Amino acid sequence: DTAVSQTPKYLVTQMGNDKSIKCEQNLGHDTMYWYKQDSKKFLKIMFSYNNKELIINETVPNRFSPKSPDKAHLNLHINSLELGDSAVYFCASSPSGGWQFFGPGTRLTVL
Amino acid sequence: AQSVAQPEDQVNVAEGNPLTVKCTYSVSGNPYLFWYVQYPNRGLQFLLKYITGDNLVKGSYGFEAEFNKSQTSFHLKKPSALVSDSALYFCAVRDITGGFKTIFGAGTRLFVKA
Repeated sequence: DTAVSQTPKYLVTQMGNDKSIKCEQNLGHDTMYWYKQDSKKFLKIMFSYNNKELIINETVPNRFSPKSPDKAHLNLHINSLELGDSAVYFCASSPSGGWQFFGPGTRLTVL
Repeated sequence: AQSVAQPEDQVNVAEGNPLTVKCTYSVSGNPYLFWYVQYPNRGLQFLLKYITGDNLVKGSYGFEAEFNKSQTSFHLKKPSALVSDSALYFCAVRDITGGFKTIFGAGTRLFVKA
C-alpha cells in the first residue's frame, strides 16, 4: 500500500485556470505538509497542518489554498494559475516532530 | 531563524571510495537534523536523523552522519560509494523549540563514477 499518495501525477493546464491536487496518507501521521520544488530543485515549505489545524502558512500567494478535511488528507487548490506556478508539488506527512514521508510529487505545467 | 547550507552543488567520487556530503546549520535552540535522498522523478526519501544522543548516526543504505555541535555541522558519509548512490541529497533542520517547520538545504548532487 502506498504510504503517501498524490493525484494527479501530472497536471498540464492553461494560465488562468483553477486546479486542485489531492494528497492522502495511510500512515496515521498527525502532520501533513505541502512543498514546492522549483526547476533548480530548491524545496520550499508552503503549508502544514497538524490534526487538521493550519500550523505553517508561508509567504505564498493567496491563490494557493490548502484544505484538510481530515487527518489523512491534505488538498491544495490553486486559483488563476500563472506560468511561475509550474513546479513539482510534494505532499509529505510525519508523526509530530518526526521525519517526513514524501509523496511521489505532482508535476504542474502551466502553459 | 533556522537555516541550512550545503556548500557543494555537486560531489564527484569514484565507486568504492569514501564519500562526504557537507551540511552546516543555524538554529536558535537545539536542532533536529535530517538527511533525505531524492532519485530522479521521485519524492524525497528519509535516510537518517539526529535528535539527541550519540553524535554518529547510522541510517539507510550504509550512510551515516556525524553531528558536530561546535562546528554546527551534520555531514553525511559513506565508507564505500556505489554507482547507485548517485542522487540528490538534502540536509534539513528543525528547531525543536520552533514548532513543526523544517528547513531544507539547496541540495547536493552526488555523482559516483564506476
